[in-house]
Amino acid sequence: EPEVTQTPSHQVTQMGQEVILRCVPISNHLYFYWYRQILGQKVEFLVSFYNNEISEKSEIFDDQFSVERPDGSNFTLKIRSTKLEDSAMYFCASTVIQGAGDEQYFGPGTRLTVT
Amino acid sequence: GESVGLHLPTLSVQEGDNSIINCAYSNSASDYFIWYKQESGKGPQFIIDIRSNMDKRQGQRVTVLLNKTVKHLSLQIAATQPGDSAVYFCAENPNSGGYNKLIFGAGTRLAVHP
Repeated sequence: EPEVTQTPSHQVTQMGQEVILRCVPISNHLYFYWYRQILGQKVEFLVSFYNNEISEKSEIFDDQFSVERPDGSNFTLKIRSTKLEDSAMYFCASTVIQGAGDEQYFGPGTRLTVT
Repeated sequence: GESVGLHLPTLSVQEGDNSIINCAYSNSASDYFIWYKQESGKGPQFIIDIRSNMDKRQGQRVTVLLNKTVKHLSLQIAATQPGDSAVYFCAENPNSGGYNKLIFGAGTRLAVHP
C-alpha cells in the first residue's frame, strides 16, 4: 500500500539554525500539507499546498517557515531560524484529487528538537 | 519554556468489550469528519470518515455516528482488541473540498486491558 514517507525521523538542531524537513507524498496525490504536534497536544494545521503554491496557512506559519516542491516527488518544510518553541513532531500529509475522497494520508513524522 | 501538554481523557476497556469515543466539533459549517488513530511515535492513521449528509457509517469493527444538531461525533469500536490501544482524534474539515485543512480535536486515549 502506498504511503507518505518523511526524513529524517529525528532532527536535533540549535536555536537559530535552519532546518529542512523532507516528505515524499503518495505519488498520484496533488494536495500536500504540513501539520505539527507539540508533545502531548493536538495536531495543528500549518499549511496546505496545491499546484505549486500555498493554498492556506495558519497563524503559526509565519515568515520563518516556507514550503517547496523542488521536484516531482519531494515536499519540504523549511524553518529559517529555529526557536525553542518549534520543538514538535512535524507531519506531512497528502490527498488525492478532490472529489475522489477527502482522506488525508499522514506520514510517520519528524521529531524536531531545538536546543 | 515548554507548553504544558493537555491531559488526555482516557477510556479503559476490557478486551472484547465495545468502546465508544466521543468528540464535540466546533464549526457548524463543517461537512466532512474523520477519525484518526495515533499510536505512540507514529503519525495519525485514517480509520473512518463521514460526510454531513449522513448520520451513520460503518466500517470493519468501527462505526461513526454524527449528530449535527448538537455537533457531536462518536466512534464505536466493536470487540475491542489490545491492538486498538492508541490515542484517537476526531478531525473536521471546515470547508468542502479535500484540499482544505483539518482541525483536530484534543484526543482520547483508549487503553485496552486483557
